[in-house]
Amino acid sequence: QVQLVQSGSELKKPGASVKVSCKASGYTFTSYALNWVRQAPGQGLEWMGWINTNTGNPTYAQGFTGRFVFSLDTSVSTAYLQIRSLEAEDTAVYYCARGETSGCDYWGQGTLVAVSS
Amino acid sequence: DIQMTQSPSSLSASVGDRVTITCRASQSVSGYLNWYQQRPGKAPNLLIYTASSLQSGVPSRFSGSGSGTDFTLTISSLQPEDFATYYCQQSYTTPRTFGQGTKVEIK
Repeated sequence: QVQLVQSGSELKKPGASVKVSCKASGYTFTSYALNWVRQAPGQGLEWMGWINTNTGNPTYAQGFTGRFVFSLDTSVSTAYLQIRSLEAEDTAVYYCARGETSGCDYWGQGTLVAVSS
Repeated sequence: DIQMTQSPSSLSASVGDRVTITCRASQSVSGYLNWYQQRPGKAPNLLIYTASSLQSGVPSRFSGSGSGTDFTLTISSLQPEDFATYYCQQSYTTPRTFGQGTKVEIK
């Protein structure tokens, strides 16, 4: 069965970096794009961007350029989200989700990144 | 960027009620409109894709309609497990923007 399993919660200090992983199983990893979605506490869903799992080419939404980096390791069917120079406003649950124009049909369980001094 | 606006932002309804949520895009998204359900503390779940296609495993009481800029999600008979927040998302172009959400609460 298709699964996206994300790494565990993180507590970081402002200015630090974090790398969230999203391991896919149950399907051919390179057949579907991987999206990243942010949800701040008590807020709605925010599409951060996506990565082409065939080419490794990332696309970032405005507001997620510079400090945010999407990457892949296709040898282990895993996508990564790295956030540099963390700020308190980055505190959120981050989701990976499979899909393209027909919506995101499988989601990871979410990873809470908390930024606090 | 295409802006997605849902209405209402919240609603109260009873089990068995028919519920309708609307989503309006700031420009045409053709039929590339998806609906998700999110229960508290859980990841979103795809209900409807490309405006009116029911995702596998989703109960038939959920339906979607619309094209261009105006879309509707209908729950024909609200069940206890349907109390959740619903989001629309356009997948016509990037960024694939979400609506702000509609919270369906128990009356």
